[in-house]
Amino acid sequence: DAGITQSPRHKVTETGTPVTLRCHQTENHRYMYWYRQDPGHGLRLIHYSYGVKDTDKGEVSDGYSVSRSKTEDFLLTLESATSSQTSVYFCAIRSGQGPNYGYTFGSGTRLTVV
Amino acid sequence: TQLLEQSPQFLSIQEGENLTVYCNSSSVFSSLQWYRQEPGEGPVLLVTVVTGGEVKKLKRLTFQFGDARKDSSLHITAAQPGDTGLYLCAGALGTYKYIFGTGTRLKVLA
Repeated sequence: DAGITQSPRHKVTETGTPVTLRCHQTENHRYMYWYRQDPGHGLRLIHYSYGVKDTDKGEVSDGYSVSRSKTEDFLLTLESATSSQTSVYFCAIRSGQGPNYGYTFGSGTRLTVV
Repeated sequence: TQLLEQSPQFLSIQEGENLTVYCNSSSVFSSLQWYRQEPGEGPVLLVTVVTGGEVKKLKRLTFQFGDARKDSSLHITAAQPGDTGLYLCAGALGTYKYIFGTGTRLKVLA
């Protein structure tokens, strides 16, 4: 078990409010990722991090920002939540060696923007 | 935009039947993964295939990577209700990230 914890598990927020989701890992993995999962779209990469203070954009990064001040924590912030950001958000870490690495995912955060 | 298309989108079968799920793209991937996801949980890695033509077996599940590394298949023999879930393929883009297919939702009826 890679020890990934996402918080909160569920959140309802109002349009226009800022929201921060937290991902915490206990095994010192370098790479961490934020994905969103929506019906018909599968999992889409929002942002990822390859080390403390090193982050990069994914394919659906507009409206999101991330921060990684410690190896174990990767925060995803919705600056001003919109209804289109209603989704299930998953954090993942990259584990394994060489070409056989894979993702270990957290249990997800279900976010509803009303 | 790279796309990974999975087929079928939905599949409902009886216990004991065999099935195959496909994952296709026009892009070449350095590796490809298969995950299974259950409701309320994150996807769980089943296998990574790396070499074109590679076949890997995991109990009743057989995974194949296409020779050109653009496609993959997952075959389940004698499906059981415990196989029910969302099956996702993911292709590697470079070293650090993957793109995911839209998934095949499998339901195995007892």
